[in-house]
Amino acid sequence: GQQLNQSPQSMFIQEGEDVSMNCTSSSIFNTWLWYKQEPGEGPVLLIALYKAGELTSNGRLTAQFGITRKDSFLNISASIPSDVGIYFCAGQHPNTGNQFYFGTGTSLTVIP
Amino acid sequence: DTGVSQDPRHKITKRGQNVTFRCDPISEHNRLYWYRQTLGQGPEFLTYFQNEAQLEKSRLLSDRFSAERPKGSFSTLEIQRTEQGDSAMYLCASSLHTDTQYFGPGTRLTVL
Repeated sequence: GQQLNQSPQSMFIQEGEDVSMNCTSSSIFNTWLWYKQEPGEGPVLLIALYKAGELTSNGRLTAQFGITRKDSFLNISASIPSDVGIYFCAGQHPNTGNQFYFGTGTSLTVIP
Repeated sequence: DTGVSQDPRHKITKRGQNVTFRCDPISEHNRLYWYRQTLGQGPEFLTYFQNEAQLEKSRLLSDRFSAERPKGSFSTLEIQRTEQGDSAMYLCASSLHTDTQYFGPGTRLTVL
């Protein structure tokens, strides 16, 4: 299957700081999705990206579909304690139909 | 609309037993997906339905696993002769035409 590398694996930040994380692939993807998952729950969709170069915001979250189509970035501004969770990227490869490949996640801890 | 629902939320079973999980997608969503997630990993694709047709299956879906969506609405995932390695969170997601998938809360399976 496709490999998606997320970095960093984990982050510990102070409340109010901005956060940046990214996701890279060895192959090009058609679609990038960003999810947040809290313990014992399913992933919650944050942002969907469909075109190379696309920049989309959802409140304090901003995500970009990389120009090369092999990466995507998620930024969170002015973090708050409820931002705690694991953030996953997911990509859809043009040759694998409706399968989405997920990264291994970035665990975010916000210290009040 | 209450989102994707899954039942049960937790299942503990003994090795060798059969288990069945249910997923109710968002109303009118024609696409339904099953994923498996183990600790510290992102979700891994298992299978995909468009309406009642099972269109894609991952190699992860061994012959002990079977999924159905008989009327194009809810879906069931059955695991026969469970093994300890089947212990995981089983996630269901649904989407309407587009590739934007919305996940349910998952079913946590523990095989003793």
